[in-house]
Amino acid sequence: IQLTQSPSSLSASVGDRVTITCRASQGISSYLAWYQQKPGKAPKLLIYAASTLQSGVPSRFSGSGSGTDFTLTISSLQPEDFATYYCQQLNSYPVTFGPGTKVDIK
Amino acid sequence: QVQLVQSGAEVKKPGASVKVSCKASGYTFTSYGISWVRQAPGQGLEWMGWISAYNGNTNYAQKLQGRVTMTTDTSTSTAYMELRSLRSDDTAVYYCARDVVVAAQYWFDPWGQGTLVTVSS
Repeated sequence: IQLTQSPSSLSASVGDRVTITCRASQGISSYLAWYQQKPGKAPKLLIYAASTLQSGVPSRFSGSGSGTDFTLTISSLQPEDFATYYCQQLNSYPVTFGPGTKVDIK
Repeated sequence: QVQLVQSGAEVKKPGASVKVSCKASGYTFTSYGISWVRQAPGQGLEWMGWISAYNGNTNYAQKLQGRVTMTTDTSTSTAYMELRSLRSDDTAVYYCARDVVVAAQYWFDPWGQGTLVTVSS
């Protein structure tokens, strides 16, 4: 199952609302997770089951969607949110990741 | 707290093998699987495979079949990933991650800190 993400990169300001889209090549129900990765660090789980916020993750992050179309929204971008974001499908093997969306400072 | 600690960086010559370890703590090791994911420099994330720490069952990415072996040592709560016949395009940071399965949903959390494997002559 192929995953595409859009945009591949974006520039935004602190306080902006940011939306990242992930599309699957076939239906994956809600078997989708979102991860945040900062340079030189391991990925960190943000959202699982398409819309469930991982414990400890700020509530400005939210996820939605099912089937083939999913979104990750950051309601008010904070300085620590500048990073690369990956979606991941866990509907079937092989597990696959989207190509990533890099969020940087405008 | 739940933690995965990986072995240190490696430099290998083409054709050699590398074995990366991932030591788990803070949870019952045999109750979860471990997945391995790699990331080439400046690139995205690539799933390599999965091993059940309960019974040793594995599922490998097709492109790595025949070159990769994943094992666990339950006595030390450690998972291992061995990659053979190394090529320059195997140069990457290798991560282990705990597979969490709850109510038929599935995700990776936490991840190890990563192990840089450099393949160079």
